[in-house]
Amino acid sequence: NAGVTQTPKFQVLKTGQSMTLQCAQDMNHEYMSWYRQDPGMGLRLIHYSVGAGITDQGEVPNGYNVSRSTTEDFPLRLLSAAPSQTSVYFCASSPTGTTMNEQFFGPGTRLTVL
Amino acid sequence: SQKIEQNSEALNIQEGKTATLTCNYTNYSPAYLQWYRQDPGRGPVFLLLIRENEKEKRKERLKVTFDTTLKQSLFHITASQPADSATYLCALAGDKIIFGKGTRLHILP
Repeated sequence: NAGVTQTPKFQVLKTGQSMTLQCAQDMNHEYMSWYRQDPGMGLRLIHYSVGAGITDQGEVPNGYNVSRSTTEDFPLRLLSAAPSQTSVYFCASSPTGTTMNEQFFGPGTRLTVL
Repeated sequence: SQKIEQNSEALNIQEGKTATLTCNYTNYSPAYLQWYRQDPGRGPVFLLLIRENEKEKRKERLKVTFDTTLKQSLFHITASQPADSATYLCALAGDKIIFGKGTRLHILP
């Protein structure tokens, strides 16, 4: 099993550009989520999904969109990148559609918006 | 609003001693509390989970306590080693998972 994979590892965008961060898991996990991690702020939940076709907002959803058309994939879309979105983004998955289990994290995507 | 506090300062512990990290929370009633380890440039890795009706959980050199009255969890590493140096995150799990900012632990040889 590859676990949770994220692409790309690094990305530089200009303000106003759009892009999609990819996240995939091969463990048949129901719960998937996206976090951003900034110095001094810890991990903050952006969006999460309890199963295919179901998504919900986390703590900091503005400027981001998600969809969950399959169990395996949970892409995060930046509609119009802003410097405030410079961060490290982590995708995570968990076996059931709840938060009761451990989360498996991907290696992260480091995004810089100029 | 929900708030989680972990030691904001780095914690320096001599090798072989017990390291104790604190996680306090307010305005939340989590069903579970989780602890993760994060090394620089890597994603967090799950260590332990404790349920609200459990007082203590152990795994090898790790021990976690959970006091829902005090709204506090303590994370202990006994016989600490330099390889235990990392940032440790606590997370409250209810309908969502909320993470603390983490505590950097340095084990000094």
